[in-house]
Amino acid sequence: GQQLNQSPQSMFIQEGEDVSMNCTSSSIFNTWLWYKQDPGEGPVLLIALYKAGELTSNGRLTAQFGITRKDSFLNISASIPSDVGIYFCAGQLLNTDKLIFGTGTRLQVFP
Amino acid sequence: KAGVTQTPRYLIKTRGQQVTLSCSPISGHRSVSWYQQTPGQGLQFLFEYFSETQRNKGNFPGRFSGRQFSNSRSEMNVSTLELGDSALYLCASSFGAGVRTGANVLTFGAGSRLTVL
Repeated sequence: GQQLNQSPQSMFIQEGEDVSMNCTSSSIFNTWLWYKQDPGEGPVLLIALYKAGELTSNGRLTAQFGITRKDSFLNISASIPSDVGIYFCAGQLLNTDKLIFGTGTRLQVFP
Repeated sequence: KAGVTQTPRYLIKTRGQQVTLSCSPISGHRSVSWYQQTPGQGLQFLFEYFSETQRNKGNFPGRFSGRQFSNSRSEMNVSTLELGDSALYLCASSFGAGVRTGANVLTFGAGSRLTVL
C-alpha cells in the first residue's frame, strides 16, 4: 500500500533535548495529522493541520504543514521520559478521503 | 464518554483457522475504519464502513472481510490465516467519513494483537 516517507525511523535522545521528525511525499495533501502511540495502545491524535504553511502548537509539540503541501514536520521541545513512543504522520490526499500513514518514528528518551 | 473498544485484546490462532475481531465505536460515531499494523509496514488501511456500508477498501486479499451493524459496531474477519497475518489490528471511529477534520478525525482503539502460529 501507499505510505509516506517518515524520518528518522528511530531516535535515541537524552531528556531535555529537542526532537524533530518529518514526513515527505511526492503527492499533495489537504490534511496532515500527527499521532503518538504508546506501547500496548492505539495511536492518539496530537496535532491536526489543514492549511499549507500552518504552524500549530500543542504544549511542547509544534507541527507545520509544508507550503508545497507535500510534507510536514513535528518538533518536540525539551523532551521528557513520557515522550517515549512511536510517532506517526498521516496525510489525506488532495481531493480524496484517502488517509495514508507514515511508517513511524520510534522515540526513546534517556534520563 | 467511552472510547473505542476492541475485543479480544490478544489472541493466538494457527494457520488455516479463521478469526473474528470486534470493534465498538465511540457513542454517536457512525464511521469505523480498520488498520493492520506490523513492524515493517506501519499502518495499512483495510476498510472503512459508514452506516453499514463499506465506503473504502485497501489492498488486502479477499480473506479479509468486515461488516458494520446498525448500532455502528463493526467486525472484521480473516479466513484461512497465514503466518504473515500476525499483526496488531486497529479499529478507529469517527462521527462521519470523508475529510478528516473536526469530528471526522479518527480515534483509535487499543487494538487486537493476533499471533498466527
